Amino acid sequence: DAKTTQPPSMDCAEGRAANLPCNHSTISGNEYVYWYRQIHSQGPQYIIHGLKNNETNEMASLIITEDRKSSTLILPHATLRDTAVYYCIVRVVDTGRRALTFGSGTRLQVQP
Amino acid sequence: EAGVTQFPSHSVIEKGQTVTLRCDPISGHDNLYWYRRVMGKEIKFLLHFVKESKQDESGMPNNRFLAERTGGTYSTLKVQPAELEDSGVYFCASSLKQGHTEAFFGQGTRLTVV
Repeated sequence: DAKTTQPPSMDCAEGRAANLPCNHSTISGNEYVYWYRQIHSQGPQYIIHGLKNNETNEMASLIITEDRKSSTLILPHATLRDTAVYYCIVRVVDTGRRALTFGSGTRLQVQP
Repeated sequence: EAGVTQFPSHSVIEKGQTVTLRCDPISGHDNLYWYRRVMGKEIKFLLHFVKESKQDESGMPNNRFLAERTGGTYSTLKVQPAELEDSGVYFCASSLKQGHTEAFFGQGTRLTVV
């Protein structure tokens, strides 16, 4: 699976959009971008995933650049409960190994 | 629908003792994974079951760790004998089938070996 690079930490004001970047310059054509987060003392939680088109669900939006070398997770209206470590994971689907490879992630602190 | 359940939530044992962690996946989920986070490190994959079969156990650190999933339902992870470096949080996750199915994680078991 391709390696990802994320900033170690970010701050965001409550109610504002949180934009979390991720670089995955070595991504292959059959690799998807997944985002998970881990709120303190809980297990990781799936947020969203995509291949090349932008995706949106009830939690967030995922913007993937045209060359697919980077992406941005957008939390449109961050709340204090969104304070967590966010992981950008690039992986091939439908292979024998379907486990997730977690990096160090971005620690997002939402400020009141 | 119940989520992934792990117990105990915390366990403190002495070096050399045995501990068994249990994971109950979401009903009907064929895929079950074990991960762990050692203090200050990243979350690391341990192994993956598809039903009762071990699909990938490349992340198991050594033969002191034994995972089972009899009958393809719940899974256990036994550490015998436990060492200090085994301390950490052990997560279990499950997913429905192949492809783009999200993995649902349990709350984790915090293991402390003293």
